[in-house]
Amino acid sequence: QVKLVGSGGGVVQPGRSLRLSCAASGFTFSRFAMQWVRQTPGKGLEWVAGMSYDGSDKYYAESVKGRFTISRDNSKNTLYLQMNSLRVEDTAVYYCARDWAAHIPIYWGRGTLVTVSS
Amino acid sequence: QLVLTQSPSASASLGASVKLTCTLSSGHSSYAIAWHQQVPEKGPRFLMKVNSDGSHSKGDGIPDRFSGSSSGAERHLTISSLQSEDEADYYCQTWGTGLNWVFGGGTKLTVL
Repeated sequence: QVKLVGSGGGVVQPGRSLRLSCAASGFTFSRFAMQWVRQTPGKGLEWVAGMSYDGSDKYYAESVKGRFTISRDNSKNTLYLQMNSLRVEDTAVYYCARDWAAHIPIYWGRGTLVTVSS
Repeated sequence: QLVLTQSPSASASLGASVKLTCTLSSGHSSYAIAWHQQVPEKGPRFLMKVNSDGSHSKGDGIPDRFSGSSSGAERHLTISSLQSEDEADYYCQTWGTGLNWVFGGGTKLTVL
């Protein structure tokens, strides 16, 4: 069955870096665009970044542009989010998601919590 | 600018039906949207994609009680025969230019 397992979260000081991973299984990872979405405790969902199936196109929310980098390794079926210059307001649960494609539904992974605090 | 608008809250009685609405901003009435459900303390779950013509495609295992429809710039999620486990936050989401997603603010559904 489809699985997306996020990892790499933790507690980090403001200004530091963290890299999140999302390991995919149960589907052909290289055929799907992928997304990162975050949720601050008690708040709504906020899209963070997206990448095309082959890594050729990347898009970022204005709030993270220039600080976060999305990437993927299709040989390892893994999506990444490199987060630099972290801010307190980046504290959230980060989810990876497989995007919709040709009647194949969106699928959400398990989130990973990132806490930015001094 | 592409914006999705949802009412912050809704409520309905156990066993009744409820219709949640997501409104697309002006100039974007042809866009498809997706509905996602998030029960407390859990991650989001994809429910369905709703097209501008009202056709919809559900995710795996989504009960028949959940259905989608469209009217102009509005996209609807109807839940019939409400159950206690339907109490959750419901988010609509669409696709902007490129690969970016846009979310509505979410509707908190209370089952009375």
